[in-house]
Amino acid sequence: QVRLVQSGAEVKKPGSSVKVSCKASGGTFSNYAISWVRQAPGQGLEWMGGIIPIFGATTYAQKFQGRVTITADTSSSTAHLELSSLRSDDTAVYYCAREIGVGTPPMNGMDVWGQGTTVTVSS
Amino acid sequence: QSVLTQPPSASGTPGQRVTISCSGSSSNIGSNFVFWYQQLPGTAPKLLIYRNNQRPSGVPDRFSGSKSGTSASLAISGLRSEDEANYYCATWDDSLSGWVFGGGTKLTVL
Repeated sequence: QVRLVQSGAEVKKPGSSVKVSCKASGGTFSNYAISWVRQAPGQGLEWMGGIIPIFGATTYAQKFQGRVTITADTSSSTAHLELSSLRSDDTAVYYCAREIGVGTPPMNGMDVWGQGTTVTVSS
Repeated sequence: QSVLTQPPSASGTPGQRVTISCSGSSSNIGSNFVFWYQQLPGTAPKLLIYRNNQRPSGVPDRFSGSKSGTSASLAISGLRSEDEANYYCATWDDSLSGWVFGGGTKLTVL
């Protein structure tokens, strides 16, 4: 059974960047897409973007265009989310999630989630 | 402001049936599958319903989903205390070319 294991909590200064990793344990990225979803304290879920690792194809939410970069290394089954120009309202828990299938629109939902990575942006 | 609209809260007593609505538009719910996620306090979301009304293995049949036009709903029958959680609807939006979520509904079991 695939598990997604994320990197540890981060504390960053405003204006800096953060890179969060997500490693698939017990499986690979073949025929999957990886999405990144964040949740600010006490708030709902917000999709940031995704990647199809075997193709390297990415899609980003308009809100984050220009500030977010999602990459994947199929050899290590690890995906990365990098968010730049951090602001205090980027303070959130960041989740990676797996989607079975690589088509658009997605047909299967996010069936496996990482444990979440807390990113705190504070001066 | 979320693209999909859900009531912020819902409640019921043990054994009752509750429904949670999710309203969207022709570019999202109207043309794509709806998914529902359950998020217990302090944990990652869990896929509860996929493709409008399908349950992943391990999800009790007390949970059911439906979709009509640009709206969807999640029904929970035989309510139990462990169902107390936040519930989110989600779908793909063709205009935005991305996933959109509802604002979430906090379910309280009285």
